Amino acid sequence: AQSVTQLDSHVSVSEGTPVLLRCNYSSSYSPSLFWYVQHPNKGLQLLLKYTSAATLVKGINGFEAEFKKSETSFHLTKPSAHMSDAAEYFCVVSDRTGNQFYFGTGTSLTVIP
Amino acid sequence: DTAVSQTPKYLVTQMGNDKSIKCEQNLGHDTMYWYKQDSKKFLKIMFSYNNKELIINETVPNRFSPKSPDKAHLNLHINSLELGDSAVYFCASSRQPDTEAFFGQGTRLTVV
Repeated sequence: AQSVTQLDSHVSVSEGTPVLLRCNYSSSYSPSLFWYVQHPNKGLQLLLKYTSAATLVKGINGFEAEFKKSETSFHLTKPSAHMSDAAEYFCVVSDRTGNQFYFGTGTSLTVIP
Repeated sequence: DTAVSQTPKYLVTQMGNDKSIKCEQNLGHDTMYWYKQDSKKFLKIMFSYNNKELIINETVPNRFSPKSPDKAHLNLHINSLELGDSAVYFCASSRQPDTEAFFGQGTRLTVV
């Protein structure tokens, strides 16, 4: 079975400092992994995806994530946080068929001015 | 144009009522989904459906039923609404297995 664990339910950073949101996955095969962002009272927007191509994936708004098979991790990073990055972030893994996407419990990012 | 659209955006209704949430995607995708997001922000798959197969999460009460009049629509019908059904419901679609899902804006259902 597939699952993801987001290690931090809340992360708080100062504006202009780096962001690290941690995600570990469990999968019986090489998975497809995604990061989604949800701003308050908004829908879900795809930030980036890993589908067995390059292990370092660049997404929108300056975010990137690195797939590390040996560590079963897919952490999300950004060099410099912006106030508009404050939101809920979800790490997601899909099953082999793509019929189901399994969400982590989310990490709430706060950016302090 | 909105890729995945849900209506209504907000729905307030009394216990015991029957209601439907509509979802339409104009992306030509083969697979559509319904997710429920609880008060703790956790998203849980309810259904996935393509033109061949309906997959139901076994924890979903049978008061919930998806209805697909055509490939571009997957509506969610809920019978005998209960207080615990209050949540945000998201519709999504994807082109093929292992590609990203595109989500609608969500429908906030409140049962009073």
